[in-house]
Amino acid sequence: EDQVTQSPEALRLQEGESSSLNCSYTVSGLRGLFWYRQDPGKGPEFLFTLYSAGEEKEKERLKATLTKKESFLHITAPKPEDSATYLCAVQANDYKLSFGAGTTVTVRA
Amino acid sequence: NAGVTQTPKFQVLKTGQSMTLQCAQDMNHNSMYWYRQDPGMGLRLIYYSASEGTTDKGEVPNGYNVSRLNKREFSLRLESAAPSQTSVYFCASREGLSGTGRQETQYFGPGTRLLVL
Repeated sequence: EDQVTQSPEALRLQEGESSSLNCSYTVSGLRGLFWYRQDPGKGPEFLFTLYSAGEEKEKERLKATLTKKESFLHITAPKPEDSATYLCAVQANDYKLSFGAGTTVTVRA
Repeated sequence: NAGVTQTPKFQVLKTGQSMTLQCAQDMNHNSMYWYRQDPGMGLRLIYYSASEGTTDKGEVPNGYNVSRLNKREFSLRLESAAPSQTSVYFCASREGLSGTGRQETQYFGPGTRLLVL
Protein backbone atom coordinates (compact mmCIF):
# COMPACT_ATOMS: atom_id res chain seq x y z
CA GLU A 1 0.00 0.00 0.00
CA ASP A 2 1.28 3.46 -0.90
CA GLN A 3 2.26 5.59 2.08
CA VAL A 4 3.06 9.28 2.24
CA THR A 5 4.27 10.93 5.46
CA GLN A 6 4.84 14.66 5.79
CA SER A 7 6.84 16.36 8.53
CA PRO A 8 6.63 18.46 10.50
CA GLU A 9 2.86 18.76 10.96
CA ALA A 10 3.23 22.49 11.64
CA LEU A 11 6.02 25.00 11.12
CA ARG A 12 6.16 28.52 12.47
CA LEU A 13 8.73 30.78 10.81
CA GLN A 14 9.82 34.36 11.13
CA GLU A 15 9.74 36.34 7.89
CA GLY A 16 13.03 35.70 6.10
CA GLU A 17 13.80 32.50 8.06
CA SER A 18 14.38 29.75 5.49
CA SER A 19 13.31 26.16 6.19
CA SER A 20 12.41 22.83 4.59
CA LEU A 21 9.40 20.55 4.60
CA ASN A 22 9.79 16.80 4.21
CA CYS A 23 7.67 14.27 2.32
CA SER A 24 8.74 10.65 2.68
CA TYR A 25 7.02 8.01 0.60
CA THR A 26 6.72 4.29 0.06
CA VAL A 27 5.33 3.33 -3.32
CA SER A 28 5.86 0.55 -5.80
CA GLY A 29 6.92 2.37 -8.91
CA LEU A 30 6.73 6.14 -8.57
CA ARG A 31 5.20 7.78 -11.63
CA GLY A 32 5.14 11.30 -10.23
CA LEU A 33 5.35 13.29 -6.99
CA PHE A 34 3.16 16.39 -6.69
CA TRP A 35 3.29 19.38 -4.37
CA TYR A 36 0.18 21.48 -3.73
CA ARG A 37 -0.50 24.58 -1.66
CA GLN A 38 -3.82 24.88 0.17
CA ASP A 39 -5.12 28.09 1.73
CA PRO A 40 -7.81 27.93 4.44
CA GLY A 41 -11.26 27.29 2.98
CA LYS A 42 -9.94 26.67 -0.54
CA GLY A 43 -9.02 23.77 -2.76
CA PRO A 44 -5.43 22.60 -3.28
CA GLU A 45 -3.47 24.63 -5.81
CA PHE A 46 -0.84 22.88 -7.92
CA LEU A 47 2.82 23.87 -7.39
CA PHE A 48 5.20 21.24 -8.82
CA THR A 49 5.53 17.78 -10.32
CA LEU A 50 8.74 15.75 -9.95
CA TYR A 51 9.27 12.54 -11.88
CA SER A 52 12.70 11.13 -11.07
CA ALA A 53 15.35 11.21 -8.36
CA GLY A 54 17.64 14.20 -8.66
CA GLU A 55 15.02 16.39 -10.29
CA GLU A 56 14.46 19.91 -8.94
CA LYS A 57 11.80 22.54 -9.66
CA GLU A 58 11.66 26.18 -8.53
CA LYS A 59 8.96 28.81 -8.30
CA GLU A 60 9.63 32.13 -6.60
CA ARG A 61 10.73 31.31 -3.02
CA LEU A 62 9.90 27.61 -3.30
CA LYS A 63 12.16 24.81 -4.49
CA ALA A 64 11.20 21.14 -4.61
CA THR A 65 13.69 18.28 -4.77
CA LEU A 66 13.28 14.52 -5.09
CA THR A 67 15.26 11.46 -3.98
CA LYS A 68 14.28 7.79 -4.19
CA LYS A 69 12.64 7.91 -0.76
CA GLU A 70 11.62 11.50 -0.08
CA SER A 71 11.01 14.97 -1.39
CA PHE A 72 11.81 18.30 0.17
CA LEU A 73 10.09 21.63 -0.28
CA HIS A 74 12.53 24.39 0.57
CA ILE A 75 11.14 27.82 1.41
CA THR A 76 13.77 30.53 1.02
CA ALA A 77 13.31 33.86 2.85
CA PRO A 78 9.58 33.28 3.35
CA LYS A 79 7.03 36.07 3.47
CA PRO A 80 3.68 36.09 5.35
CA GLU A 81 1.88 35.32 2.07
CA ASP A 82 3.67 31.94 2.00
CA SER A 83 1.56 30.89 4.99
CA ALA A 84 -0.51 27.89 3.89
CA THR A 85 -0.76 24.14 4.18
CA TYR A 86 1.55 22.33 1.78
CA LEU A 87 0.42 18.92 0.54
CA CYS A 88 2.54 16.19 -1.01
CA ALA A 89 1.06 13.39 -3.16
CA VAL A 90 2.48 10.43 -5.06
CA GLN A 91 1.15 8.67 -8.13
CA ALA A 92 1.91 4.98 -8.48
CA ASN A 93 -0.55 4.04 -11.19
CA ASP A 94 -2.32 5.75 -14.02
CA TYR A 95 -5.14 7.37 -12.13
CA LYS A 96 -4.83 7.65 -8.36
CA LEU A 97 -2.93 10.01 -6.09
CA SER A 98 -2.04 9.19 -2.47
CA PHE A 99 -1.78 12.29 -0.28
CA GLY A 100 0.10 13.07 2.89
CA ALA A 101 -1.64 14.90 5.74
CA GLY A 102 0.17 18.15 4.99
CA THR A 103 2.44 20.65 6.72
CA THR A 104 0.89 23.90 7.91
CA VAL A 105 3.33 26.78 7.56
CA THR A 106 2.82 30.07 9.39
CA VAL A 107 5.14 32.96 8.57
CA ARG A 108 5.16 35.86 11.00
CA ALA A 109 6.08 39.37 9.91
CA ASN B 1 -11.97 29.26 -17.93
CA ALA B 2 -13.64 28.60 -14.60
CA GLY B 3 -11.62 25.40 -14.12
CA VAL B 4 -13.37 23.03 -11.70
CA THR B 5 -16.59 24.27 -10.10
CA GLN B 6 -18.54 22.66 -7.25
CA THR B 7 -22.01 23.22 -5.85
CA PRO B 8 -23.12 23.78 -3.19
CA LYS B 9 -20.35 25.48 -1.22
CA PHE B 10 -21.86 24.54 2.12
CA GLN B 11 -24.64 22.19 3.21
CA VAL B 12 -26.16 21.03 6.48
CA LEU B 13 -28.00 17.72 6.50
CA LYS B 14 -29.80 15.68 9.10
CA THR B 15 -28.88 12.02 9.56
CA GLY B 16 -30.66 9.93 6.94
CA GLN B 17 -31.20 12.72 4.43
CA SER B 18 -29.85 12.40 0.91
CA MET B 19 -28.10 14.90 -1.32
CA THR B 20 -26.04 15.19 -4.48
CA LEU B 21 -22.83 17.17 -4.78
CA GLN B 22 -22.24 18.56 -8.24
CA CYS B 23 -18.93 19.03 -10.03
CA ALA B 24 -18.17 20.39 -13.49
CA GLN B 25 -14.94 21.13 -15.36
CA ASP B 26 -14.40 23.19 -18.50
CA MET B 27 -10.86 22.02 -19.32
CA ASN B 28 -11.94 19.08 -21.52
CA HIS B 29 -10.28 16.67 -19.09
CA ASN B 30 -10.85 12.94 -19.35
CA SER B 31 -10.51 11.92 -15.69
CA MET B 32 -12.46 13.21 -12.71
CA TYR B 33 -12.19 12.47 -8.98
CA TRP B 34 -14.00 12.89 -5.68
CA TYR B 35 -12.02 13.26 -2.44
CA ARG B 36 -12.89 13.94 1.15
CA GLN B 37 -10.60 15.86 3.49
CA ASP B 38 -10.70 15.39 7.24
CA PRO B 39 -8.40 17.00 9.82
CA GLY B 40 -5.08 15.19 10.18
CA MET B 41 -5.93 12.58 7.53
CA GLY B 42 -5.15 14.21 4.24
CA LEU B 43 -7.22 13.84 1.10
CA ARG B 44 -8.78 10.42 0.59
CA LEU B 45 -10.14 9.24 -2.72
CA ILE B 46 -13.82 8.26 -2.70
CA TYR B 47 -14.49 7.48 -6.38
CA TYR B 48 -12.95 8.33 -9.69
CA SER B 49 -13.84 8.25 -13.35
CA ALA B 50 -10.91 7.56 -15.64
CA SER B 51 -12.92 8.53 -18.69
CA GLU B 52 -16.49 9.26 -19.71
CA GLY B 53 -18.63 6.20 -19.14
CA THR B 54 -16.46 4.59 -16.45
CA THR B 55 -16.35 4.88 -12.66
CA ASP B 56 -14.28 3.06 -10.04
CA LYS B 57 -14.08 2.89 -6.27
CA GLY B 58 -11.31 4.63 -4.42
CA GLU B 59 -10.09 4.27 -0.87
CA VAL B 60 -13.33 5.15 1.01
CA PRO B 61 -16.39 4.47 -1.23
CA ASN B 62 -18.86 3.16 1.36
CA GLY B 63 -21.99 5.29 1.68
CA TYR B 64 -21.44 7.08 -1.64
CA ASN B 65 -22.46 6.69 -5.26
CA VAL B 66 -21.27 8.60 -8.32
CA SER B 67 -22.46 9.39 -11.81
CA ARG B 68 -20.32 10.55 -14.71
CA LEU B 69 -23.07 12.45 -16.47
CA ASN B 70 -20.95 13.48 -19.46
CA LYS B 71 -17.34 14.50 -20.04
CA ARG B 72 -17.79 17.72 -18.07
CA GLU B 73 -19.83 16.61 -15.06
CA PHE B 74 -19.25 14.14 -12.22
CA SER B 75 -21.68 14.02 -9.29
CA LEU B 76 -21.39 12.43 -5.85
CA ARG B 77 -24.51 11.20 -4.06
CA LEU B 78 -25.06 10.46 -0.40
CA GLU B 79 -28.16 8.28 -0.19
CA SER B 80 -28.52 8.30 3.59
CA ALA B 81 -26.17 10.75 5.26
CA ALA B 82 -24.38 9.84 8.49
CA PRO B 83 -22.45 12.07 10.93
CA SER B 84 -19.25 10.25 9.84
CA GLN B 85 -19.70 11.84 6.42
CA THR B 86 -19.20 15.32 7.85
CA SER B 87 -16.22 16.51 5.87
CA VAL B 88 -14.98 18.79 3.13
CA TYR B 89 -15.46 17.28 -0.32
CA PHE B 90 -13.24 18.15 -3.26
CA CYS B 91 -13.69 17.35 -6.90
CA ALA B 92 -10.68 17.23 -9.22
CA SER B 93 -10.03 16.65 -12.88
CA ARG B 94 -7.05 15.61 -14.99
CA GLU B 95 -6.41 15.36 -18.68
CA GLY B 96 -4.75 11.98 -18.44
CA LEU B 97 -1.34 10.98 -19.68
CA SER B 98 0.59 13.58 -21.62
CA GLY B 99 1.98 12.94 -25.04
CA THR B 100 5.27 12.03 -23.37
CA GLY B 101 3.53 9.43 -21.19
CA ARG B 102 4.00 11.50 -18.05
CA GLN B 103 1.31 11.98 -15.45
CA GLU B 104 -0.74 15.10 -15.92
CA THR B 105 -1.66 17.27 -12.96
CA GLN B 106 -4.96 17.01 -11.09
CA TYR B 107 -6.73 20.34 -10.66
CA PHE B 108 -9.07 20.85 -7.74
CA GLY B 109 -12.33 22.67 -7.19
CA PRO B 110 -13.03 24.99 -4.22
CA GLY B 111 -14.75 22.30 -2.13
CA THR B 112 -18.13 21.60 -0.53
CA ARG B 113 -18.33 21.75 3.25
CA LEU B 114 -20.85 19.22 4.53
CA LEU B 115 -22.14 18.99 8.08
CA VAL B 116 -24.33 16.02 9.01
CA LEU B 117 -26.19 16.39 12.31
